[in-house]
Amino acid sequence: DAMVIQNPRYQVTQFGKPVTLSCSQTLNHNVMYWYQQKSSQAPKLLFHYYDKDFNNEADTPDNFQSRRPNTSFCFLDIRSPGLGDAAMYLCATSRAGNYGYTFGSGTRLTVV
Amino acid sequence: DAKTTQPPSMDCAEGRAANLPCNHSTISGNEYVYWYRQIHSQGPQYIIHGLKNNETNEMASLIITEDRKSSTLILPHATLRDTAVYYCIVRVRDSNYQLIWGAGTKLIIKP
Repeated sequence: DAMVIQNPRYQVTQFGKPVTLSCSQTLNHNVMYWYQQKSSQAPKLLFHYYDKDFNNEADTPDNFQSRRPNTSFCFLDIRSPGLGDAAMYLCATSRAGNYGYTFGSGTRLTVV
Repeated sequence: DAKTTQPPSMDCAEGRAANLPCNHSTISGNEYVYWYRQIHSQGPQYIIHGLKNNETNEMASLIITEDRKSSTLILPHATLRDTAVYYCIVRVRDSNYQLIWGAGTKLIIKP
């Protein structure tokens, strides 16, 4: 089945140690998104790619970066994770236009 | 800021219809209403969306009032697996990223 896959499902990293989360899709959607979701809160958009065009939300910290080497893959890099970055990170894809998003299962990040 | 208001929680008996309300009184003419749900520890799942007409798919029905200031998501025969947080979201038409999430409704289906 076409889907959005996030790896790993759970990630533990040390305070200040760079970490990369990955997302892949078999849907051939041209838009990919990264969301951060903290406990009991709605997802918060960090940034998105429309094809290769990168769009950063104004309040996304510089500590968060993203790469999209091709249509299928997108990465979230956290350069120096702090305790406040512990959260669920969700990747989503969509076709351009008024279509629903397809979300991955998320990566739960723990910072120790 | 969120453009939707939802009750924080609701209960529904298994097998009955679950009706989840959402207020979006400041919605603009070019904004859609989307519904997603999130089962514990999973990614959100798309349910349905609409602009001004009522919509139905295999999962649910969406009823939008004529003035578009509110809507209701209907799960016709709720099962225990429908227990989740349901998000009513406003999305700017033809925008690739502007999903404006509300706080969601925790729906608990009881046997």
